[in-house]
Amino acid sequence: EVHLLESGGGLVQPGGSLRLSCAASGITFSSYAMSWVRQAPGKGLEWVSTIGGYGGATYYPNSLRGRFTVSRDNSKNTLYLEMISLRAEDTAIYYCAKNLGGAYCGGDCPYPIDYWGQGTLVTVSS
Amino acid sequence: QTVVTQEPSFSVSPGGTVTLTCGLSSGSVSNNYYPSWYQQTPGQAPRTLIYNTNTRSSGVPDRFSGSILGDKAALTITGAQAHDESTYYCLLYMGSGFWVFGGGTKLTVL
Repeated sequence: EVHLLESGGGLVQPGGSLRLSCAASGITFSSYAMSWVRQAPGKGLEWVSTIGGYGGATYYPNSLRGRFTVSRDNSKNTLYLEMISLRAEDTAIYYCAKNLGGAYCGGDCPYPIDYWGQGTLVTVSS
Repeated sequence: QTVVTQEPSFSVSPGGTVTLTCGLSSGSVSNNYYPSWYQQTPGQAPRTLIYNTNTRSSGVPDRFSGSILGDKAALTITGAQAHDESTYYCLLYMGSGFWVFGGGTKLTVL
């Protein structure tokens, strides 16, 4: 059974930074691209980032590129999201998600999300 | 920037059939967008229903089906039940590793 467990959320001041983690089990971790998706309070889902299985390729929406960095440690079956220069509008539940495939994503990574974690809440406030 | 469009809300009677759609502000949705559908109830993580247009995720009943209808992706729910009352999101692949969610459709069963 696939299990994704996020951690690292909490309260951070505007301008601060935070690193989220996601521990995966039940899968051959390196065989799959992994993603982060967030949901602001009362709002819809927003794709945040994706990383290929062997970590060579990363993808972000233009609005988040430069402030958010996704990485992974396949030896620890763990996905990370480093966030800097945080703003109030980054307040959201951050979900870790497994993609359908994507061990070797390069210029293309067309593997949709098939499993989700329960999410971790990030609150940016003074 | 391309916007993914969904009906903000929809209503269906118990036992009825409803089709939710997922379109583009410019252009047509095709299989090349790898459309997928997710169900979310308040306070819960999303659940994957359909991926790659019409493949049901593990454990999803066959009351849920996906397709391309005209220029949009579609999610059809037959025999609607009270516990189908949720918000449904579609996700489209824009190429080069980029994904965009639709704004979601809040489905009411009454």
